[in-house]
Amino acid sequence: SAVISQKPSRDICQRGTSLTIQCQVDSQVTMMFWYRQQPGQSLTLIATANQGSEATYESGFVIDKFPISRPNLTFSTLTVSNMSPEDSSIYLCSVGGTGTGNTIYFGEGSWLTVV
Amino acid sequence: GENVEQHPSTLSVQEGDSAVIKCTYSDSASNYFPWYKQELGKGPQLIIDIRSNVGEKKDQRIAVTLNKTAKHFSLHITETQPEDSAVYFCAAAANNLFFGTGTRLTVIP
Repeated sequence: SAVISQKPSRDICQRGTSLTIQCQVDSQVTMMFWYRQQPGQSLTLIATANQGSEATYESGFVIDKFPISRPNLTFSTLTVSNMSPEDSSIYLCSVGGTGTGNTIYFGEGSWLTVV
Repeated sequence: GENVEQHPSTLSVQEGDSAVIKCTYSDSASNYFPWYKQELGKGPQLIIDIRSNVGEKKDQRIAVTLNKTAKHFSLHITETQPEDSAVYFCAAAANNLFFGTGTRLTVIP
């Protein structure tokens, strides 16, 4: 399995500000993903974080709003830009592929509340 | 893209009874089907997964079955316990993982 650490675990943010979430894995993994889980809802894939290149975004998510970095095989960041109350969600990092036996694991999430 | 449907949305069972959650998927290229348990305030925890070359997999009280022809897969929990109470999500993946809408399981002592 993989041990995934996310920071911050929880935050309250002011409308119009941006927040960067960090995801650190204890081993090298080929695949890292970012998901959003709105209150009481399922998980929605935001993007695949690609090492050394631009992230691949799913429909409805854009780089200007959710810039992602992945400088190496164990670390990624997700920024939620110009936040509004609608961005209040849990943001989850997940990993898979080589390094996890092609099993996909999740971190504990970053719980953001925008006021 | 992939579309995963999950039923029921809520499920209540008496302690010791079995619980079954069913999912269907749309993309025939999907070949990986994990199940996650999410407790309040926590991230999803992988409880069991199955790949397309296997029809059934069991781990103690938990089993998963897969019917690739019909594009459906199911989670079976036997001898349920109160600590099994949580939200369960199915998912399907070819490249990326797409989730069902979740089932809130309540085990009544």
